[in-house]
Order: sequence, then structure tokens, then C-alpha cells
Amino acid sequence: EVQLVESGGGLVKPGGSLRLSCAASGFTFGDFSMNWVRQAPGKGLEWVSSITTGRSHTFYADSVKGRFTISRDNAENSLYLQMNSLRAEDTAVYYCTRQTKLSLYWYFDLWGRGTLVTVSS
Amino acid sequence: DIQMTQSPSSLSASVGDRVTITCRASQSISNYLNWYQQKPGKAPKLLIYSASSLHSGVPSRFSGSGSGTDFTLTIRSLQPEDFATYYCQQGYSSPPYTFGQGTKLEIK
Repeated sequence: EVQLVESGGGLVKPGGSLRLSCAASGFTFGDFSMNWVRQAPGKGLEWVSSITTGRSHTFYADSVKGRFTISRDNAENSLYLQMNSLRAEDTAVYYCTRQTKLSLYWYFDLWGRGTLVTVSS
Repeated sequence: DIQMTQSPSSLSASVGDRVTITCRASQSISNYLNWYQQKPGKAPKLLIYSASSLHSGVPSRFSGSGSGTDFTLTIRSLQPEDFATYYCQQGYSSPPYTFGQGTKLEIK
């Protein structure tokens, strides 16, 4: 089955760290760029970070730059998000998404169920 | 960075109605525009890419149009399962891959 399964969320104190994982199955993980998208409670979607195929170029939203690190292990079919110096405003459901490219177009066509990160003292 | 603005923020409609949601980009993005549907407690699902191409398995009552800065998502003959929140996303430039703020479609 083609799917993405996130894990690693939980309750963490402000200033703390957490590492999210996303296990991919049912497709050739290494052929796709991957992303993290988050959604704060009752709010909209916010793109967080992206990692390409090949040389694994990485990109970050300004809100997380310098604090979060995205990485991937193609041998393990896994995507990661290392989150440091966490703030209350990082509280959200974090989704792992697959980025599919068709000719000149791309889109997020596969999403995990999400993992909840709560930053609170 | 490209900003995406949706209107309205919320919308009430009845089963069988035709509804239109608008998305505006802060600069021209040609037709590099995606639409997603999200139901409460669930992950978003891709509906439309390249402004008007229906993703596999999406019912034909959904359609998208537009180019440049102005785009629309139209749902013809609303079904009970269509009541959800809809997001547009620009697919034009390199990151940030900006989403609109969402349009919540509710039952009247």
C-alpha cells in the first residue's frame, strides 16, 4: 500500500527538541522530493520544509529556519524533521507529504495522517 | 515570496448548489496552482493541479480555472461529502510553497 506514516510527536517544553519521522512505503521513495507541512490547532496549512531528491537540497520556511533540520534516508525509506529550540507557536499537527512532479507541474499528492507536536510548559 | 489569498473565508451552501471559491496570487503564477480538500481531523487531499487538471479519482463535479493571478474552484451540484475546507497552493516558484488561508464550506 502506498502510504506515509509519521511518528515522534508529543509534548515538549519550550526550548526543547523533538525528532519527527516519516516512514514511506509502496513507492520508490528516493525518486520524490518530500515536504513537511504543519497545521496549528484551528488554523490553516503552513509549508515548513522541503528536501529534494539526488543531492538533497533543503529549504525552510522563515519561521523555522535555523531551528529545524530536514533530512532523508533513502535506504530506510524515511524522512525526518529535527526540531530544536521549540516555541509555543510550533504547536501543530505535522504532516509528511510527497511532492510529485509532472512535466513542469508539481503537487503534494500523498499525505500522512500527521503527528501532533505540543510545546507547553 | 508569493502570497495566496482566498475568498470567501467561509461559505454556507445547500446540497445540490453550485459554489465557487476564489484564490488570488500576489504575482503571476501562470497556471501553477493546486487545490486541496481537508475534512475535520483528516489530512488534506489533492483535488486539482495546474489550475484545471483533476487529480485521479476526484469526481468530475469539481473543476478549476484561471491563470496569472486569479483562480477559481467550482463545485457543481454539492454533495454531503463535499462540506470541508479548501486550500489553494502556488506551485510556481521555489519554496516557500505558500497555501491560501482556506475556505470553509458549511451546510446551510
